[in-house]
Amino acid sequence: SSELTQDPAVSVALGQTVRITCQGDSLRTYYASWYQQKPGQAPVLVIYGETNRPSGIPDRFSGSSSGNTASLTITGAQAEDEADYYCNSRDSSGNHRVFGGGTKLTVL
Amino acid sequence: EVQLVESGGGLVQPGGSLRLSCAASGFTFSSYRMNWVRQAPGKGLEWVSYISRSSSTIYYAESVKGRFTISRDNAKNSLSLQMNSLRDADTAVYYCARDDYGDNGAFDIWGQGTMVTVSS
Repeated sequence: SSELTQDPAVSVALGQTVRITCQGDSLRTYYASWYQQKPGQAPVLVIYGETNRPSGIPDRFSGSSSGNTASLTITGAQAEDEADYYCNSRDSSGNHRVFGGGTKLTVL
Repeated sequence: EVQLVESGGGLVQPGGSLRLSCAASGFTFSSYRMNWVRQAPGKGLEWVSYISRSSSTIYYAESVKGRFTISRDNAKNSLSLQMNSLRDADTAVYYCARDDYGDNGAFDIWGQGTMVTVSS
């Protein structure tokens, strides 16, 4: 399968922890990366190689994976974390990249 | 500063053509794989095409295969996307994105995007 499935919307109270998930068969073979996109802006890489944070990304962002599910966890969500989040990986061939449908995170 | 700047977007009629460009600066362009990613208005991200460092390997999403052509000029630090036989469904912001972090890859640097509108 070449699909990655995300919940369309998730909410979290300010300062609490939220997990955003991404499901797909290809995640059993390939790592996920995660992108944050705020309105009118280009996406920003927040997690690569399933668990790694690029420099400059706060350590409240973390990634994990189990079976066919990759997760992005924000520990102590801040108001500025309100955004759309997309997972990305490869399809079953390994040649094509595929994005999940995106999760809109609301910080209450 | 590491930067990608897209250009070439605009309004085009269905069936028409458009060529997008992406100018890279602040890094050794020839050392990186590159991609195009698009986003239709109000929709999610869609991967469009990939090109290897030497242009020896190229992939396309099924939705654009046979109509779009990706290319690069390492001497000019430039990435291009030639788009032919454009359809309404191709209307989107088109981003170029650098591909780093090993074999699995991740899009670590993005341009600001260029808008393509296909409409009669």
